[in-house]
Amino acid sequence: DTAVSQTPKYLVTQMGNDKSIKCEQNLGHDTMYWYKQDSKKFLKIMFSYNNKELIINETVPNRFSPKSPDKAHLNLHINSLELGDSAVYFCASSQEGTGDWGSPLHFGNGTRLTVT
Amino acid sequence: AQSVTQLDSHVSVSEGTPVLLRCNYSSSYSPSLFWYVQHPNKGLQLLLKYTSAATLVKGINGFEAEFKKSETSFHLTKPSAHMSDAAEYFCVVSDGAGTALIFGKGTTLSVSS
Repeated sequence: DTAVSQTPKYLVTQMGNDKSIKCEQNLGHDTMYWYKQDSKKFLKIMFSYNNKELIINETVPNRFSPKSPDKAHLNLHINSLELGDSAVYFCASSQEGTGDWGSPLHFGNGTRLTVT
Repeated sequence: AQSVTQLDSHVSVSEGTPVLLRCNYSSSYSPSLFWYVQHPNKGLQLLLKYTSAATLVKGINGFEAEFKKSETSFHLTKPSAHMSDAAEYFCVVSDGAGTALIFGKGTTLSVSS
């Protein structure tokens, strides 16, 4: 009964390709997020969705587009992949807001994207 | 503007000895503070959180942290390290103003036998 699951776990692709990462949460949470963790393990938020509405967009390139078909899913689509996109991408969810009122984040296990 | 600084990028301890992971924060408001742990090839897991209740916060696996407003610190401690504690630890701050959580750069905890 995985709380936040994302697929695939590993993704190796060539520059210029388009790829998607899927995320699902079964916690009934209102808000979902995508985080990027670089090679130095630094975590940065990319997007969050609350009730299917984008509420944070941290100026990531428009090659990245989140898509939320329903409250339990937030997929990440990436166009024209670049070498610098190589990282680990984490999906997360929280019960309220942007998790900044004490509501903890529940993370998936990450997708390691390698662009060659 | 809010920020968080983890003072040590790497901490090494022996099994059975105390653990101290240091975190200083900067926030314009009364912050919410968290510690998360990340084991290899895993997502982050919440250890504990502070949200203006008791200043000494107890978390899972024997960890605790103390909020010290005068020192703007939220250090993570554990009396006795276990091998399974070896992981990456992140201090996180939010000022509750509707902005995103800010993660520290992480501290790698190594535990030797």
